[in-house]
This record gives sequence, structure tokens and C-alpha cells, in this order.
Amino acid sequence: GAGVSQSPSNKVTEKGKDVELRCDPISGHTALYWYRQRLGQGLEFLIYFQGNSAPDKSGLPSDRFSAERTGESVSTLTIQRTQQEDSAVYLCASSLARERARTFGSGTRLTVV
Amino acid sequence: GDSVTQMEGPVTLSEEAFLTINCTYTATGYPSLFWYVQYPGEGLQLLLKATKADDKGSNKGFEATYRKETTSFHLEKGSVQVSDSAVYFCALQLSSGSARQLTFGSGTQLTVLP
Repeated sequence: GAGVSQSPSNKVTEKGKDVELRCDPISGHTALYWYRQRLGQGLEFLIYFQGNSAPDKSGLPSDRFSAERTGESVSTLTIQRTQQEDSAVYLCASSLARERARTFGSGTRLTVV
Repeated sequence: GDSVTQMEGPVTLSEEAFLTINCTYTATGYPSLFWYVQYPGEGLQLLLKATKADDKGSNKGFEATYRKETTSFHLEKGSVQVSDSAVYFCALQLSSGSARQLTFGSGTQLTVLP
């Protein structure tokens, strides 16, 4: 598609439940990134995929967070046993391998109650 | 470590007012500098960038100059419009390294009143 698509746009979940967030990158973009934006804070890097290389998971805050990507297409970010502090906007971005600027999706607003 | 510091918001201006959003950085090496904008309900968009000292990035009437001596990249616009209301993020990226080395500031909320 023309842009990075994320779904759902909003998700309200109960504490302790698992959630799955989806990102469709721009076709042809080999690099894909997940970020988290908590209220009033800056973007936090979570994970980076580049082609078929092993992902850079160094930003994942705990083992409750995981992400997968099939080839150079869709990615899913999974949060298990959600906690209230997981409430944030989760942003996905993609880029061509050698470009520095990223195109962002509109994000998934996650609220854990 | 590398960091970006932006002026705290929110910033509220009247239409046609002059805008400055301050951004300073600390980095090892020679970063590229960016301003991103997030309009309500939308994702982040690249607004402008500068890749070396004294470069000026510009787009949509916004400008920012890469000042190595003051480690700054302040965003300016001479006459803001209601449609400029958004959150603005300053960011830096080192010339080499991993994806993690794109570092964002905390964002500055701008509201322009008619």
C-alpha cells in the first residue's frame, strides 16, 4: 500500500490478557521497526527487522514482549499478560534498507484496564 | 549516551505568530538531525532533516539549522497556521550503527488558535 498500516487503531484490554498488534509496511521496505510512545514521553525503540537477518530485540522491555515478521511483509507485536504500564501508543515504521528516514503508521493506542 | 532534549510543551500560539521549538542534542560522533511531525490521529511524518553542520533543512515553511557549536537544531516558522497544530519530535541518528541509534526527543505539542 501507499503507507504503513497498523491495526487495530485502538485496543482496550483487561490486565493479564494477551494482545497482538499488526503492522503492514510499505511494499518493498525491507526494514521494519516497532516503537512505543507512552503519554508525555518520547519514542522508545522496541525491535527492528531487516530482511531475513536476525532481529534486533534490544529494546524489548521484558520477556512478555515479542514480535515476528514473515519475510519482508507483515509484522505482529505480541504482549503477553498485559500490565497497566503497557498502556501506550505502539508505532510501526518501515524504510528502505539504506534510507535513514522512516515512514510511520498511525499507531495502535493500547489501554490496559 | 546519545540524547535529544526538546523544550517542554504545550505551546499555544495565535495564527500568524512566530514559532520556535528548541532542540539540543548530545551525541558521540556526527549525527544526522531530523524533525518529525505527528498530526492528530495520524502517524509520524518526516518534516525536515539536516545531515551535517550548517545545513538548513526546510519544508512547508518550517526551517531548522544544524548548529554544531551549540549542538542545536531549533525548529522555526515565521507564520504558523491552525493546520500546523500537531506534536513535533526532534530526533538524531548516528551515521553508522544499528536501528536503535535513532533517538527521539519527548515531543512538543503545538496548538495554533485562529
